[in-house]
Amino acid sequence: GQNIDQPTEMTATEGAIVQINCTYQTSGFNGLFWYQQHAGEAPTFLSYNVLDGLEEKGRFSSFLSRSKGYSYLLLKELQMKDSASYLCAVREGETGANNLFFGTGTRLTVIP
Amino acid sequence: DTGVSQNPRHKITKRGQNVTFRCDPISEHNRLYWYRQTLGQGPEFLTYFQNEAQLEKSRLLSDRFSAERPKGSFSTLEIQRTEQGDSAMYLCASSLTANTGELFFGEGSRLTVL
Repeated sequence: GQNIDQPTEMTATEGAIVQINCTYQTSGFNGLFWYQQHAGEAPTFLSYNVLDGLEEKGRFSSFLSRSKGYSYLLLKELQMKDSASYLCAVREGETGANNLFFGTGTRLTVIP
Repeated sequence: DTGVSQNPRHKITKRGQNVTFRCDPISEHNRLYWYRQTLGQGPEFLTYFQNEAQLEKSRLLSDRFSAERPKGSFSTLEIQRTEQGDSAMYLCASSLTANTGELFFGEGSRLTVL
Protein backbone atom coordinates (compact mmCIF):
# COMPACT_ATOMS: atom_id res chain seq x y z
CA GLY A 1 0.00 0.00 0.00
CA GLN A 2 0.93 3.66 -0.16
CA ASN A 3 0.72 6.64 2.17
CA ILE A 4 1.74 9.85 0.44
CA ASP A 5 1.66 13.14 2.28
CA GLN A 6 2.17 16.65 0.95
CA PRO A 7 0.93 20.08 2.07
CA THR A 8 -2.47 21.06 0.77
CA GLU A 9 -1.70 24.66 -0.12
CA MET A 10 1.26 27.01 -0.42
CA THR A 11 1.66 30.64 -1.44
CA ALA A 12 4.84 32.25 -2.75
CA THR A 13 5.89 35.47 -4.40
CA GLU A 14 6.81 35.93 -8.04
CA GLY A 15 10.57 35.62 -8.50
CA ALA A 16 11.07 33.71 -5.25
CA ILE A 17 11.97 30.07 -4.57
CA VAL A 18 9.53 27.56 -3.15
CA GLN A 19 10.04 24.01 -1.90
CA ILE A 20 7.18 21.52 -1.89
CA ASN A 21 7.76 18.51 0.34
CA CYS A 22 6.44 14.99 -0.04
CA THR A 23 6.77 12.07 2.33
CA TYR A 24 5.72 8.56 1.49
CA GLN A 25 5.44 5.08 2.92
CA THR A 26 5.25 2.32 0.39
CA SER A 27 6.32 -1.26 -0.21
CA GLY A 28 8.51 -2.02 -3.19
CA PHE A 29 9.44 1.59 -3.99
CA ASN A 30 10.49 1.98 -7.61
CA GLY A 31 10.52 5.67 -8.38
CA LEU A 32 9.05 9.02 -7.42
CA PHE A 33 7.44 11.42 -9.86
CA TRP A 34 6.30 15.02 -9.75
CA TYR A 35 3.50 16.22 -11.99
CA GLN A 36 2.07 19.69 -12.53
CA GLN A 37 -1.65 20.16 -13.00
CA HIS A 38 -3.27 23.45 -13.90
CA ALA A 39 -6.93 23.82 -12.97
CA GLY A 40 -9.14 21.91 -15.38
CA GLU A 41 -6.23 20.41 -17.27
CA ALA A 42 -4.43 17.08 -17.37
CA PRO A 43 -1.36 16.41 -15.19
CA THR A 44 1.93 16.91 -17.00
CA PHE A 45 5.23 15.27 -16.11
CA LEU A 46 7.87 17.37 -14.37
CA SER A 47 10.50 15.06 -12.91
CA TYR A 48 11.48 11.53 -11.96
CA ASN A 49 13.81 10.26 -9.21
CA VAL A 50 14.68 6.65 -8.52
CA LEU A 51 18.10 7.12 -6.88
CA ASP A 52 18.95 9.40 -3.97
CA GLY A 53 19.98 12.90 -4.86
CA LEU A 54 19.00 15.95 -6.80
CA GLU A 55 17.73 16.06 -10.36
CA GLU A 56 17.78 19.48 -11.96
CA LYS A 57 15.78 20.55 -14.99
CA GLY A 58 15.81 24.25 -15.67
CA ARG A 59 13.93 26.16 -12.98
CA PHE A 60 12.67 22.90 -11.46
CA SER A 61 14.67 20.47 -9.30
CA SER A 62 13.58 17.36 -7.45
CA PHE A 63 15.30 15.63 -4.57
CA LEU A 64 14.88 12.12 -3.21
CA SER A 65 15.98 10.36 -0.02
CA ARG A 66 14.81 6.75 -0.13
CA SER A 67 15.93 5.99 3.42
CA LYS A 68 13.79 8.83 4.75
CA GLY A 69 10.87 8.31 2.38
CA TYR A 70 11.15 11.96 1.43
CA SER A 71 11.21 14.08 -1.67
CA TYR A 72 10.91 17.73 -2.49
CA LEU A 73 10.25 19.77 -5.60
CA LEU A 74 12.11 23.07 -5.80
CA LEU A 75 10.82 25.81 -8.06
CA LYS A 76 13.13 28.77 -8.68
CA GLU A 77 12.43 32.20 -10.17
CA LEU A 78 8.72 31.70 -9.72
CA GLN A 79 6.43 32.94 -12.45
CA MET A 80 2.70 33.59 -12.30
CA LYS A 81 2.14 30.66 -14.67
CA ASP A 82 3.59 28.33 -12.02
CA SER A 83 0.33 28.66 -10.08
CA ALA A 84 -0.97 25.09 -10.23
CA SER A 85 -1.29 21.89 -8.24
CA TYR A 86 1.88 19.84 -7.84
CA LEU A 87 1.33 16.12 -7.48
CA CYS A 88 3.80 13.77 -5.87
CA ALA A 89 3.45 10.17 -7.06
CA VAL A 90 5.25 6.94 -6.22
CA ARG A 91 5.63 3.84 -8.30
CA GLU A 92 5.70 0.44 -6.67
CA GLY A 93 8.01 -2.02 -8.33
CA GLU A 94 6.51 -5.25 -6.99
CA THR A 95 3.73 -5.36 -9.53
CA GLY A 96 5.94 -4.22 -12.36
CA ALA A 97 2.90 -2.39 -13.55
CA ASN A 98 4.34 1.08 -13.80
CA ASN A 99 1.15 2.46 -12.31
CA LEU A 100 1.60 5.49 -10.12
CA PHE A 101 -0.05 6.30 -6.83
CA PHE A 102 -0.61 10.00 -6.30
CA GLY A 103 -0.77 12.24 -3.27
CA THR A 104 -3.58 14.75 -2.91
CA GLY A 105 -1.47 17.49 -4.49
CA THR A 106 -0.18 20.85 -3.29
CA ARG A 107 -1.96 23.86 -4.69
CA LEU A 108 0.61 26.60 -5.23
CA THR A 109 -0.48 30.19 -5.64
CA VAL A 110 2.09 32.65 -6.95
CA ILE A 111 1.37 36.25 -6.04
CA PRO A 112 2.89 39.41 -7.56
CA ASP B 1 -2.50 15.84 -32.42
CA THR B 2 -0.63 12.74 -31.25
CA GLY B 3 -1.46 12.96 -27.55
CA VAL B 4 -3.90 10.92 -25.49
CA SER B 5 -7.45 11.60 -26.59
CA GLN B 6 -10.57 11.09 -24.46
CA ASN B 7 -14.23 11.48 -25.24
CA PRO B 8 -16.69 12.66 -24.39
CA ARG B 9 -15.08 15.50 -22.48
CA HIS B 10 -18.21 16.09 -20.44
CA LYS B 11 -21.11 13.83 -19.62
CA ILE B 12 -24.15 14.65 -17.53
CA THR B 13 -26.42 11.76 -16.70
CA LYS B 14 -29.19 10.77 -14.34
CA ARG B 15 -28.58 8.35 -11.51
CA GLY B 16 -29.06 4.78 -12.62
CA GLN B 17 -28.03 5.33 -16.23
CA ASN B 18 -25.02 3.69 -17.87
CA VAL B 19 -22.16 5.73 -19.31
CA THR B 20 -19.15 4.82 -21.44
CA PHE B 21 -15.92 6.73 -21.91
CA ARG B 22 -13.37 6.15 -24.62
CA CYS B 23 -9.60 6.67 -24.54
CA ASP B 24 -7.24 6.65 -27.51
CA PRO B 25 -3.65 6.43 -26.23
CA ILE B 26 -0.50 7.59 -27.96
CA SER B 27 -0.17 5.11 -30.81
CA GLU B 28 3.08 3.37 -29.87
CA HIS B 29 2.26 3.13 -26.16
CA ASN B 30 1.48 -0.38 -25.00
CA ARG B 31 0.35 0.51 -21.48
CA LEU B 32 -2.93 2.25 -20.72
CA TYR B 33 -4.25 3.41 -17.35
CA TRP B 34 -7.52 4.75 -16.00
CA TYR B 35 -7.58 7.09 -13.04
CA ARG B 36 -10.38 8.95 -11.28
CA GLN B 37 -9.93 12.41 -9.82
CA THR B 38 -12.29 14.42 -7.62
CA LEU B 39 -11.95 18.08 -6.76
CA GLY B 40 -8.97 18.83 -4.55
CA GLN B 41 -7.64 15.29 -4.72
CA GLY B 42 -4.91 13.57 -6.66
CA PRO B 43 -5.73 10.99 -9.32
CA GLU B 44 -6.77 7.59 -7.92
CA PHE B 45 -5.65 4.51 -9.80
CA LEU B 46 -8.49 2.39 -11.20
CA THR B 47 -7.05 -0.09 -13.64
CA TYR B 48 -4.22 -0.76 -16.07
CA PHE B 49 -3.71 -2.62 -19.36
CA GLN B 50 -0.63 -3.90 -21.04
CA ASN B 51 -1.65 -4.32 -24.66
CA GLU B 52 -5.09 -5.96 -24.48
CA ALA B 53 -4.58 -7.63 -21.10
CA GLN B 54 -6.07 -6.01 -18.00
CA LEU B 55 -3.34 -6.69 -15.49
CA GLU B 56 -4.42 -4.83 -12.39
CA LYS B 57 -7.63 -3.46 -10.90
CA SER B 58 -7.98 -1.27 -7.85
CA ARG B 59 -10.35 -2.12 -5.02
CA LEU B 60 -11.99 1.19 -5.95
CA LEU B 61 -13.25 -0.44 -9.13
CA SER B 62 -16.62 -1.84 -8.07
CA ASP B 63 -18.61 -4.40 -10.04
CA ARG B 64 -20.44 -1.56 -11.76
CA PHE B 65 -17.21 -0.52 -13.48
CA SER B 66 -15.75 -2.41 -16.41
CA ALA B 67 -12.88 -1.54 -18.70
CA GLU B 68 -11.78 -3.10 -21.95
CA ARG B 69 -9.01 -2.70 -24.45
CA PRO B 70 -10.04 -5.24 -27.08
CA LYS B 71 -7.32 -4.77 -29.68
CA GLY B 72 -4.63 -3.31 -27.51
CA SER B 73 -5.25 0.17 -28.88
CA PHE B 74 -8.20 2.26 -27.62
CA SER B 75 -9.91 1.50 -24.33
CA THR B 76 -13.42 1.97 -22.96
CA LEU B 77 -14.51 2.47 -19.37
CA GLU B 78 -18.17 1.71 -18.68
CA ILE B 79 -20.03 2.60 -15.51
CA GLN B 80 -23.35 0.86 -15.02
CA ARG B 81 -26.18 2.10 -12.81
CA THR B 82 -24.39 5.34 -12.07
CA GLU B 83 -24.53 6.84 -8.58
CA GLN B 84 -23.95 10.42 -7.51
CA GLY B 85 -20.67 9.35 -5.92
CA ASP B 86 -19.39 8.44 -9.36
CA SER B 87 -19.24 12.12 -10.30
CA ALA B 88 -15.57 12.81 -11.01
CA MET B 89 -13.02 13.41 -13.74
CA TYR B 90 -11.97 10.16 -15.38
CA LEU B 91 -8.42 10.40 -16.64
CA CYS B 92 -6.75 8.09 -19.11
CA ALA B 93 -2.97 7.84 -19.42
CA SER B 94 -0.56 5.82 -21.53
CA SER B 95 3.10 4.91 -21.37
CA LEU B 96 5.79 2.82 -22.97
CA THR B 97 7.09 -0.23 -21.14
CA ALA B 98 10.72 0.56 -21.64
CA ASN B 99 11.11 4.06 -20.28
CA THR B 100 11.19 5.89 -16.97
CA GLY B 101 7.52 5.26 -16.50
CA GLU B 102 6.30 8.71 -17.36
CA LEU B 103 2.57 8.71 -17.89
CA PHE B 104 1.02 10.88 -20.57
CA PHE B 105 -2.46 11.95 -19.54
CA GLY B 106 -5.46 12.85 -21.62
CA GLU B 107 -7.63 15.86 -20.85
CA GLY B 108 -10.13 13.68 -19.04
CA SER B 109 -13.84 12.98 -19.20
CA ARG B 110 -15.87 14.80 -16.58
CA LEU B 111 -18.90 12.90 -15.33
CA THR B 112 -21.75 14.56 -13.47
CA VAL B 113 -24.44 12.27 -12.08
CA LEU B 114 -27.64 14.07 -11.10
